[in-house]
Amino acid sequence: QKEVEQDPGPLSVPEGAIVSLNCTYSNSAFQYFMWYRQYSRKGPELLMYTYSSGNKEDGRFTAQVDKSSKYISLFIRDSQPSDSATYLCAMSGRYSSASKIIFGSGTRLSIRP
Amino acid sequence: DTGVSQDPRHKITKRGQNVTFRCDPISEHNRLYWYRQTLGQGPEFLTYFQNEAQLEKSRLLSDRFSAERPKGSFSTLEIQRTEQGDSAMYLCASSGWGQGSSDNEQFFGPGTRLTVL
Repeated sequence: QKEVEQDPGPLSVPEGAIVSLNCTYSNSAFQYFMWYRQYSRKGPELLMYTYSSGNKEDGRFTAQVDKSSKYISLFIRDSQPSDSATYLCAMSGRYSSASKIIFGSGTRLSIRP
Repeated sequence: DTGVSQDPRHKITKRGQNVTFRCDPISEHNRLYWYRQTLGQGPEFLTYFQNEAQLEKSRLLSDRFSAERPKGSFSTLEIQRTEQGDSAMYLCASSGWGQGSSDNEQFFGPGTRLTVL
């Protein structure tokens, strides 16, 4: 079993819809949770970064972490065609220093105009 | 541009040849990471440096792979005797305090795409 599980999609929704992306994980030591966006043949771009449980909002993006269920989500409101990309959830375990990140396999998202 | 840069962006080589990639991190970041990403998968951790010290290496990093960061600034990743299974995107990331980011936020470069024929 992988440490981080993510549905690979593809997920296709109409423009303006609310998108929900999710990951589950098995390692209770994870403390930091991230979402990256990756366009084709580009490096991952950090979208959201949260510590421990709770919600964090940034513009049209909301990240949720539920450590009791080992479940994290990313919501995209008013989705745009430019949001079409692969979304990677990621997490790391150390709380006092930077550490390697464990990534999910990514969900391919397509927003239809 | 103050982001992470990588060179070259693409490399095509024949099996058995050696290749070397370079990464220049964000200037004030003291941590530098290498990851490998294959098609349809998320990046997988290879190794990381704090300043010039290599602090962690993945089991994925076989004896044919070596990484250096001699002066705590740029880093190189060398693959010796390349194999077809080495074909992947090699990503570099950096982290550190500065530009409003914390030590745990890793920022990635555009990657070097390696094709081994």
